[in-house]
Amino acid sequence: RKEVEQDPGPFNVPEGATVAFNCTYSNSASQSFFWYRQDCRKEPKLLMSVYSSGNEDGRFTAQLNRASQYISLLIRDSKLSDSATYLCVVNVGGFGNEKLTFGTGTRLTIIP
Amino acid sequence: DAGVIQSPRHEVTEMGQEVTLRCKPISGHNSLFWYRQTMMRGLELLIYFNNNVPIDDSGMPEDRFSAKMPNASFSTLKIQPSEPRDSAVYFCASFLRGRDTEAFFGQGTRLTVV
Repeated sequence: RKEVEQDPGPFNVPEGATVAFNCTYSNSASQSFFWYRQDCRKEPKLLMSVYSSGNEDGRFTAQLNRASQYISLLIRDSKLSDSATYLCVVNVGGFGNEKLTFGTGTRLTIIP
Repeated sequence: DAGVIQSPRHEVTEMGQEVTLRCKPISGHNSLFWYRQTMMRGLELLIYFNNNVPIDDSGMPEDRFSAKMPNASFSTLKIQPSEPRDSAVYFCASFLRGRDTEAFFGQGTRLTVV
């Protein structure tokens, strides 16, 4: 089983819609979690960290469910500029010994 | 700061040749990661360093791959001899270890082995 698994998509969603991605991880000792965004032919960049209590940044909401070992990303009122690949990232190492493991990514296309 | 700098941006080489990829992390960062990205396998962690010391190289696919970090401002990933299946985008990322830290990626090296 992969350490981090995501639905690769693609997700083709009309502009203005709400879309959600899930990601599961296998190591229950994982310490911290992130969503990264990668545009075509570019490097990944941090979108947001994921906190145990859930967190929101504008139209983006991230949630963590430790019991079921999954994290989610919700995008509301989607924009054309949201089209990208979204990477789930799990730190499977301990504090001070971070080992960032990436999922294969979920490709999102927002349709006008 | 100029961010993480990788060179070259593109490399085309013939099978059997030695390839060296270079990375300059962000000044002050104490962790450095090398990743490989392909359509089929996504982003794979090859090796990572803490304070210039290799911590985990379990992702290095074969003995043909080697990585070094002689000092805090420079790392190399070498493939010798290269094979067509090594064709991928290789990313270097650096960050400052700690809670909720952000990893910054270089622009990557697109390697094609023919």
